[in-house]
Amino acid sequence: AQTVTQSQPEMSVQEAETVTLSCTYDTSESDYYLFWYKQPPSRQMILVIRQEAYKQQNATENRFSVNFQKAAKSFSLKISDSQLGDAAMYFCAYRSAPDSWGKLQFGAGTQVVVTP
Amino acid sequence: GAVVSQHPSWVICKSGTSVKIECRSLDFQATTMFWYRQFPKQSLMLMATSNEGSKATYEQGVEKDKFLINHASLTLSTLTVTSAHPEDSSFYICSATLAGLETQYFGPGTRLLVL
Repeated sequence: AQTVTQSQPEMSVQEAETVTLSCTYDTSESDYYLFWYKQPPSRQMILVIRQEAYKQQNATENRFSVNFQKAAKSFSLKISDSQLGDAAMYFCAYRSAPDSWGKLQFGAGTQVVVTP
Repeated sequence: GAVVSQHPSWVICKSGTSVKIECRSLDFQATTMFWYRQFPKQSLMLMATSNEGSKATYEQGVEKDKFLINHASLTLSTLTVTSAHPEDSSFYICSATLAGLETQYFGPGTRLLVL
């Protein structure tokens, strides 16, 4: 079974600064998907970014980018120019590509605190 | 696009009663829906996976007679917590996906408080 590890329970960042959240995973598969979801205080899960394992290019979405290191099984999220609205719990998730149902395996989450 | 709704957003019930939570995909047909439970400051715990027109598959440790799941159409899945007890109080989240798509889209969640 795959496991997803987020080793940082909480990260603090000042507005306009950059913060990087770490995520590692354990798998024997070669084809899979990785996701970062954001859960603000409203508790609505919001997709931030996704990465296909077969793509070497790191995914980016505006101020959010990932550093995908397949060999190291690492998938970190960088939030640039942090804003107060970025304060939330961030979850890293793994999805096996052969899994037709598409179950997600979530990490424990990292709480991001943004200070003015 | 890819909007998922849940109803109700919060519910308070008495111990021993049953509560039904609805999950709807508003702008796409969801072949698969998932139900999660989340305790405060914890990650999401998958309870079950349901495919339209077939029985749900429950994760180990989840009582299928306690948490009844029905996925009667491509846009609606329901979770019924039967004979609810205070320990069932939690935040329940559904998500939906379409065959061939790799992303799950989440509903806003339902807060259940059992007195």
